Amino acid sequence: GAVVSQHPSWVICKSGTSVKIECRSLDFQATTMFWYRQFPKQSLMLMATSNEGSKATYEQGVEKDKFLINHASLTLSTLTVTSAHPEDSSFYICSARSSTVEQFFGPGTRLTVL
Amino acid sequence: AQRVTQPEKLLSVFKGAPVELKCNYSYSGSPELFWYVQYSRQRLQLLLRHISRESIKGFTADLNKGETSFHLKKPFAQEEDSAMYYCALRAQGAQKLVFGQGTRLTINP
Repeated sequence: GAVVSQHPSWVICKSGTSVKIECRSLDFQATTMFWYRQFPKQSLMLMATSNEGSKATYEQGVEKDKFLINHASLTLSTLTVTSAHPEDSSFYICSARSSTVEQFFGPGTRLTVL
Repeated sequence: AQRVTQPEKLLSVFKGAPVELKCNYSYSGSPELFWYVQYSRQRLQLLLRHISRESIKGFTADLNKGETSFHLKKPFAQEEDSAMYYCALRAQGAQKLVFGQGTRLTINP
């Protein structure tokens, strides 16, 4: 199957700082990428959908100024958590798909905000 | 709005026994339905999708539009099937998947 990578796999930061997470599709061109958040023992919560070259579409209740998403190329999307706070600590997962490749998921990034 | 319901948070069966993970959905159009699996410490993986009508790792799922269900079945469970299973729906023309809450399947030896 297709491969989606995320970097970093885990990150610890201080409250008030910003953190950037990268999502790459390694062997296909992802026209659409998705960002999810997963709390312990819970399902995935979609945060936003991003199409290459367009602004991301955020789900209701997700602050677009806090969670900045950039999808500048067909193989890379980034999620920046701005002015992070402890309540932003979570597992962030990206996925990618194209017209011919079904949605494949990255391994996730664990963010801990101190 | 679309909704996916997996009524069982936890399911435990013995090795060799049949297993059925339930998934019901609400959507007025023609949905695309999927099952994803997440093994311990691994990423979410696509297990199967209804339009493929395939069997993966012995699992099958049939879309029942009358009952709005897409239950996942396997006749003989194996220990390596222990994992978290998510049912997901994509509406016609949509990009995003709507996930159920997941069912943790444990296969006892």
